[in-house]
Amino acid sequence: AQSVTQLDSHVSVSEGTPVLLRCNYSSSYSPSLFWYVQHPNKGLQLLLKYTSAATLVKGINGFEAEFKKSETSFHLTKPSAHMSDAAEYFCVVSDLSRGSTLGRLYFGRGTQLTVWP
Amino acid sequence: GAVVSQHPSWVICKSGTSVKIECRSLDFQATTMFWYRQFPKQSLMLMATSNEGSKATYEQGVEKDKFLINHASLTLSTLTVTSAHPEDSSFYICSARPYRGTVSEKLFFGSGTQLSVL
Repeated sequence: AQSVTQLDSHVSVSEGTPVLLRCNYSSSYSPSLFWYVQHPNKGLQLLLKYTSAATLVKGINGFEAEFKKSETSFHLTKPSAHMSDAAEYFCVVSDLSRGSTLGRLYFGRGTQLTVWP
Repeated sequence: GAVVSQHPSWVICKSGTSVKIECRSLDFQATTMFWYRQFPKQSLMLMATSNEGSKATYEQGVEKDKFLINHASLTLSTLTVTSAHPEDSSFYICSARPYRGTVSEKLFFGSGTQLSVL
């Protein structure tokens, strides 16, 4: 079974400081992993995805995530937070990699990122 | 980029009435659309997978007679909440996967519909 656990429901950082949003996953197979961001009153936007290529994945807006199989983690980081980064972030695992044609996504609970000026 | 339009963005209805939510892919064809439900402070939960021209596949615990899904064309899927009750109040989001001849994980999301049942 696929599942993800986002370890922090809320993270607060000051503008210009690093961001770390933690995610651990559970998967019976080699997973595909994603980070999505949801800004208020907007749809979800894909930040980045891991699909068994390079373990360090670079996404949009300066975000990146590292896939660590030994730790079953896929933490999202950014060196320097910006006010516009304030949003809710979802870590997601997909079952597409195990041969399923459905490509269903399983979401974590989300982490609300607050950025202080 | 690809755009998914979800309508309405916000709806209030009386208990016992039905509400229809539309999900349209505006500039691409989507053979598969997904419907999610988000409870406050919780994650998005997949409700059902909708394939054009066939019956939707519902996740365990989702009442298919209550949440009717129709995917009659390659650009439109609808979710109808029948006989809505206050516990159905939630944020519903759809996503669509473009058809490019192969299965692709790239999904595009609507902006969601906030349903409040009085």
